[in-house]
Amino acid sequence: AQSVTQLGSHVSVSEGALVLLRCNYSSSVPPYLFWYVQYPNQGLQLLLKYTTGATLVKGINGFEAEFKKSETSFHLTKPSAHMSDAAEYFCAVSVGGGNKLTFGTGTQLKVEL
Amino acid sequence: SAVISQKPSRDICQRGTSLTIQCQVDSQVTMMFWYRQQPGQSLTLIATANQGSEATYESGFVIDKFPISRPNLTFSTLTVSNMSPEDSSIYLCSVERPRDSTYNEQFFGPGTRLTVL
Repeated sequence: AQSVTQLGSHVSVSEGALVLLRCNYSSSVPPYLFWYVQYPNQGLQLLLKYTTGATLVKGINGFEAEFKKSETSFHLTKPSAHMSDAAEYFCAVSVGGGNKLTFGTGTQLKVEL
Repeated sequence: SAVISQKPSRDICQRGTSLTIQCQVDSQVTMMFWYRQQPGQSLTLIATANQGSEATYESGFVIDKFPISRPNLTFSTLTVSNMSPEDSSIYLCSVERPRDSTYNEQFFGPGTRLTVL
């Protein structure tokens, strides 16, 4: 069975600063990895995904993540935070392209002036 | 993409009662999913609903507690039966659409925030 751990339920950064949200996974087979964002009172929106191929993946709104198999990690980064990035971010894993997603507990990102 | 709406958006219910949550999609989909997000916890898949067949429940979830209907390819309901305060959660439906040759992307509704007193 697979699992996801997100370190830090709350992260606060200054506007313009680097955003780093951590995600580690556990899977016995090659995983598909996802980052979702949830704005208040809205559904989850896919930010980016890793399935196969290039390990550095770019998503919407300037976010990117790197799949590191040796570290079983898929951390989400953005070079410069914007106020509009304030939201909750979920890391998720599925196995073999299957449709059952296993989610982390989420990280609430706060962006301060 | 997919436009998904849920009703109600939130509700406060008394213990022992039941609440039916509706999920409407803007176009036909084969599979619909129901998730629960308990306070401070991750999203957990409750069941998968295919049109024309019984829903498939994940470990720890049973049909008597969470009956699901899937009358057509754009609509599904989830009922939370005989509620207790432990059922207070956000309930989300999702659908999947082919994204590319490697996987199907899941799209999520806005969720139903349920509080049981």
